[in-house]
Amino acid sequence: GAGVSQSPRYKVAKRGQDVALRCDPISGHVSLFWYQQALGQGPEFLTYFQNEAQLDKSGLPSDRFFAERPEGSVSTLKIQRTQQEDSAVYLCASSAKGTSGGGGVYNEQFFGPGTRLTVL
Amino acid sequence: GDSVTQMEGPVTLSEEAFLTINCTYTATGYPSLFWYVQYPGEGLQLLLKATKADDKGSNKGFEATYRKETTSFHLEKGSVQVSDSAVYFCALKRGGNNRLAFGKGNQVVVIP
Repeated sequence: GAGVSQSPRYKVAKRGQDVALRCDPISGHVSLFWYQQALGQGPEFLTYFQNEAQLDKSGLPSDRFFAERPEGSVSTLKIQRTQQEDSAVYLCASSAKGTSGGGGVYNEQFFGPGTRLTVL
Repeated sequence: GDSVTQMEGPVTLSEEAFLTINCTYTATGYPSLFWYVQYPGEGLQLLLKATKADDKGSNKGFEATYRKETTSFHLEKGSVQVSDSAVYFCALKRGGNNRLAFGKGNQVVVIP
């Protein structure tokens, strides 16, 4: 299909392991977002890319979290030395345009199915 | 910071019943407001939106009105179906900042 895809859908890691989560946005979409959704909670913003530029990483919870989008398409969220509190569903979303600069038509975010990370 | 509050707990109701899910927000300025829905096994989908005060968003029989005076955006549907069973999230976006702030979500279960 033409939607946002994420892989793997499920990941189990032992505490201390590094993990890499992949997001394939909708082709041609400029903006890409990562969110973290803990059990029973709403998604929390992690980071935002406009093409290959990471414009906002204020939501990353620690320096163990790192995201990249080197060619402005596929993105990878990497978590180093995973901890149990990292267990969550990681959601990726993309939207067609970049920052609106204030006001203007809403630039809808299309979400992928998420990657469920369980850290043992 | 900006935040969204949804009513506590799941909602269970019978088919054809009236549904209301409460949502209130805290934000400076004039945020855009959204309802997202997550059906079992699927990703979040935009259900409806409103970008300014007194706007009414509507889709698939659902409605929500942006009430600036009460800082609310309650979701309503007059007659629910079993297929409406899902988790519903209220969210806001402020100005040029593209990030969404979500509420905790409400699971809705519709019984035949």
